[in-house]
Amino acid sequence: DIQMTQSPSSLSASVGDRVTITCRASQGISRSLNWYQQKPGKAPNLLIYAASNLQSGVPSRFSGSGSGTDFTLTISSLQPEDFATYYCQQSYSTPYTFGQGTKLEIK
Amino acid sequence: EVQLVESGGGLVQPGGSLRLSCAASGFTFGDYWMSWVRQAPGKGLEWVANIKQDGSEKYYVDSVKGRFTISRDNAKNSLYLQMNSLRAEDTSVYHCARGGGRSGWWNPWGPGTLVTVSS
Repeated sequence: DIQMTQSPSSLSASVGDRVTITCRASQGISRSLNWYQQKPGKAPNLLIYAASNLQSGVPSRFSGSGSGTDFTLTISSLQPEDFATYYCQQSYSTPYTFGQGTKLEIK
Repeated sequence: EVQLVESGGGLVQPGGSLRLSCAASGFTFGDYWMSWVRQAPGKGLEWVANIKQDGSEKYYVDSVKGRFTISRDNAKNSLYLQMNSLRAEDTSVYHCARGGGRSGWWNPWGPGTLVTVSS
């Protein structure tokens, strides 16, 4: 199975900050990497698919990059509604696996 | 509006069974792979199973193989998960989600239904 490791596990930041979350795969996964946002008590919401494609309706302050084993999710200017938990997920091969999550908190 | 709504969760004893359902609306259900993804309380996300548009291909995470069966009824726009031989570690919120085949990503997700396995 492909292991996905996110860093950091938690992060405190302020409104307006630029934030980067990283995700590393245990083997090369090309660009088969997706990012989700989850708020407490809610279902995850797709932000980025295939490493860098912004899902329709997602604000342009979210961006993704990377290929192979190393990927990043960047929020260019944090907004109050962005405080949530973020997960990466590989779709290169089954079993599809997720990172452990990054909890983004208000500083 | 694309919508997925799960039902069928509840409290069950270890070794018991449950059948989850997911009602889909707002899109052509038969055109999409569908999946189940679960989340244990306070934990991360775990893909459980997915099924091809016509039901001809099904895949499972190892921990549920032989115990869970994914199925679908395209005429009823519905996805199912039959769960047998349930264990405490199966306790989770179970989400159905559109996708998970060649695309490998899920959008959207249903709000989920809670399955609690406990005596």
